[in-house]
Amino acid sequence: EDQVTQSPEALRLQEGESSSLNCSYTVSGLRGLFWYRQDPGKGPEFLFTLYSAGEEKEKERLKATLTKKESFLHITAPKPEDSATYLCAVQAGTSGSRLTFGEGTQLTVNP
Amino acid sequence: DTAVSQTPKYLVTQMGNDKSIKCEQNLGHDTMYWYKQDSKKFLKIMFSYNNKELIINETVPNRFSPKSPDKAHLNLHINSLELGDSAVYFCASSQRQGRPYNSPLHFGNGTRLTVT
Repeated sequence: EDQVTQSPEALRLQEGESSSLNCSYTVSGLRGLFWYRQDPGKGPEFLFTLYSAGEEKEKERLKATLTKKESFLHITAPKPEDSATYLCAVQAGTSGSRLTFGEGTQLTVNP
Repeated sequence: DTAVSQTPKYLVTQMGNDKSIKCEQNLGHDTMYWYKQDSKKFLKIMFSYNNKELIINETVPNRFSPKSPDKAHLNLHINSLELGDSAVYFCASSQRQGRPYNSPLHFGNGTRLTVT
């Protein structure tokens, strides 16, 4: 069974204080690893897809990396508007198009 | 706006009632999904339709019945509602045919169901 574990559950940062979120996964044949951002009262918003170990993608202050066992979402010099829950999900070769999600990391960036 | 839209946004009802949630997408996608998010923010797939055909049917009570009248719409009907059904239900869509198999899902903003 596909499994995704995210850590930490919650993270508080000061504005400008860089950090990383972790997503560990166990799947049969990874097709893709996805990062989403979810704001309160909203649906998850797509950020990145990573397909193979060693791949990296960047968007503004966010950078996602992938190894064979985990993915990191690095946040550089965060701002208060980066506060959200960040969700990691995997799509496996045996699961069709479904995504298996982790429980998310709730990020709060204080001004 | 191009989007996945769900109605209603909030649904408060009593145990034993029957209710429906509607979802529409105008992204031209061929696959739609229902996900359930519990109080711990954990998102779990319930159903998926591809071109009106049911392709994913997770282990959910048969009180939950999805219906897809066309590939742009996927509704969720729930019979005999129970307290444990309280959650946020998200509709999503993606494109399978002609795209990489791992195209991202686009989500609606959810329907918060409260059963009292």
